Amino acid sequence: DVKVTQSSRYLVKRTGEKVFLECVQDMDHENMFWYRQDPGLGLRLIYFSYDVKMKEKGDIPEGYSVSREKKERFSLILESASTNQTSMYLCASSPDPSRFYEQYFGPGTRLTVT
Amino acid sequence: DAKTTQPTSMDCAEGRAANLPCNHSTISGNEYVYWYRQIHSQGPQYIIHGLKNNETNEMASLIITEDRKSSTLILPHATLRDTAVYYCIAHPDSSYKLIFGSGTRLLVRP
Repeated sequence: DVKVTQSSRYLVKRTGEKVFLECVQDMDHENMFWYRQDPGLGLRLIYFSYDVKMKEKGDIPEGYSVSREKKERFSLILESASTNQTSMYLCASSPDPSRFYEQYFGPGTRLTVT
Repeated sequence: DAKTTQPTSMDCAEGRAANLPCNHSTISGNEYVYWYRQIHSQGPQYIIHGLKNNETNEMASLIITEDRKSSTLILPHATLRDTAVYYCIAHPDSSYKLIFGSGTRLLVRP
């Protein structure tokens, strides 16, 4: 079974803090994604990566950056956390460019910024 | 991406088949139909996808009408653990971005 793990299930941070969310997949997948999910707004793509050190902006990259130094690990960084970044953050991976539709998600990190 | 329409909620008895409909009347030729589900407090889970032929895997079956304007996801023997929100998505397989609509909230009753 594909396993995508995220570093924390719940996280509370203060406004202005730098926040790191880590995601690891164990299936040698090429593509990795970071989404946020908010009630009424659905799933929104923040960034995705199709290879080590390669990244593309999604729909809402402002206030976020990412890092992919190794194939299995994709990190989301909130440079200076703000209250409007309180959300559920979901990481996903997919096998290769021909199978973007088949994404495997982690359990999510519920981040609260106070 | 084609717009999809699903009922807001459904329920079925445990052990019975759950048939979840999806309307995608504006689907274009290169758009696949994908189904995901999200169990409460968990990340979404890929279930199945298809283009025009019916598909079956260990989780479910997908029936797509001949005109491709609608489809049905079938869970053949629903269990309590199948209680979740089910999302039907129609978009090209080359698109990397998943866009979930409101989905159908399925409640499996004991």
